[in-house]
Amino acid sequence: NAGVTQTPKFQVLKTGQSMTLQCAQDMNHEYMSWYRQDPGMGLRLIHYSVGAGITDQGEVPNGYNVSRSTTEDFPLRLLSAAPSQTSVYFCASSYYAGRDNYGYTFGSGTRLTVV
Amino acid sequence: GQSLEQPSEVTAVEGAIVQINCTYQTSGFYGLSWYQQHDGGAPTFLSYNGLDGLEETGRFSSFLSRSDSYGYLLLQELQMKDSASYFCAVHNTNAGKSTFGDGTTLTVKP
Repeated sequence: NAGVTQTPKFQVLKTGQSMTLQCAQDMNHEYMSWYRQDPGMGLRLIHYSVGAGITDQGEVPNGYNVSRSTTEDFPLRLLSAAPSQTSVYFCASSYYAGRDNYGYTFGSGTRLTVV
Repeated sequence: GQSLEQPSEVTAVEGAIVQINCTYQTSGFYGLSWYQQHDGGAPTFLSYNGLDGLEETGRFSSFLSRSDSYGYLLLQELQMKDSASYFCAVHNTNAGKSTFGDGTTLTVKP
């Protein structure tokens, strides 16, 4: 059982480049989300999805796009990388239980540096 | 909007008990979660409180008071491996939008 798999683990981009961070889960979780974590800070929600074909914006969506064509995959696209997007990116998934919460399972993260 | 406050740092000695507080402001509150994150690692889920009261899981307990918009994580019999950052997170009626606090760095000393 792999859980939540993120690729790549590390990436260096030049300003203006685009790329896609991959996230896949094998737990049949309805809910998936992307967070970014800057040094010494908490996790800020970028985008999330409560099921295939459904996505919505989080707290800091600008500069990022997502899609959810399958239950398993939730890629995050950086449209035109900026130094302000240097961060650690975490993908998370869980059962979508409404009022109840069974906890998010996080991937191991992608450390992105934009130069 | 939503906001959470938790102390930035806590230090305790091995074997002691430590409490990490979290106060929050949010609309449509559902519940409060706690996560542990070791340096360079991913957050891992510790507990969730949807109702007032204490939830116990081994050495860790979590408490919630909805009327006070307050919760805490209690760590007993501290071990060196408990040195990590601990985050509280609020979940509201828009179940997809959870907000995390900035984290509390716990240092356990011998």
